[in-house]
Amino acid sequence: AAGVIQSPRHLIKEKRETATLKCYPIPRHDTVYWYQQGPGQDPQFLISFYEKMQSDKGSIPDRFSAQQFSDYHSELNMSSLELGDSALYFCASSSLAGGLLEQYFGPGTRLTVT
Amino acid sequence: QKEVEQNSGPLSVPEGAIASLNCTYSDRGSQSFFWYRQYSGKSPELIMFIYSNGDKEDGRFTAQLNKASQYVSLLIRDSQPSDSATYLCAVNIGTGGYNKLIFGAGTRLAVHP
Repeated sequence: AAGVIQSPRHLIKEKRETATLKCYPIPRHDTVYWYQQGPGQDPQFLISFYEKMQSDKGSIPDRFSAQQFSDYHSELNMSSLELGDSALYFCASSSLAGGLLEQYFGPGTRLTVT
Repeated sequence: QKEVEQNSGPLSVPEGAIASLNCTYSDRGSQSFFWYRQYSGKSPELIMFIYSNGDKEDGRFTAQLNKASQYVSLLIRDSQPSDSATYLCAVNIGTGGYNKLIFGAGTRLAVHP
């Protein structure tokens, strides 16, 4: 079965640079969620989109922005990167219109800021 | 106090035994509960979800939910070394049905031969 696709899988950036992470949800899933997981921590919710509209917002810094496009893929844009932004970034998808609350996670993007 | 609490472990069980993982949550309005398994450096993998009070069984896994006690658990029967991982309890905090997940800190399970 098709899964959530994330790219790139690894990304190395320097402080104050920008990064763009991409997420392609499972086909026919309409909702995308972004989570950040620091070393030794649990995933923290950042932001979600349902049918291309922002649906909820968590602990996402103002330096970050995200959107969902007409083909349902989503991009997380991160600017003025800081050392503390180094983490695993996961995208998850679900099908709310289909009544499915379960979220399926992608493989993640490991961001390292030096 | 975290919204979702788990014992961080490690929980060590012998191969073939039953592993019991516990989770409590603070929001009485929570309706949906999930267990994810996460291997080091990998993404969370959904293994069980439960929405109603009682037990739900899937293969070697049984999820138990008690909303009155705000308690959810996961039992793993016939534990295998490959079950060694961190198990994350997640609670759906839904506003308008959009369903963000709040995770516990995870319980590390070690199954030894």
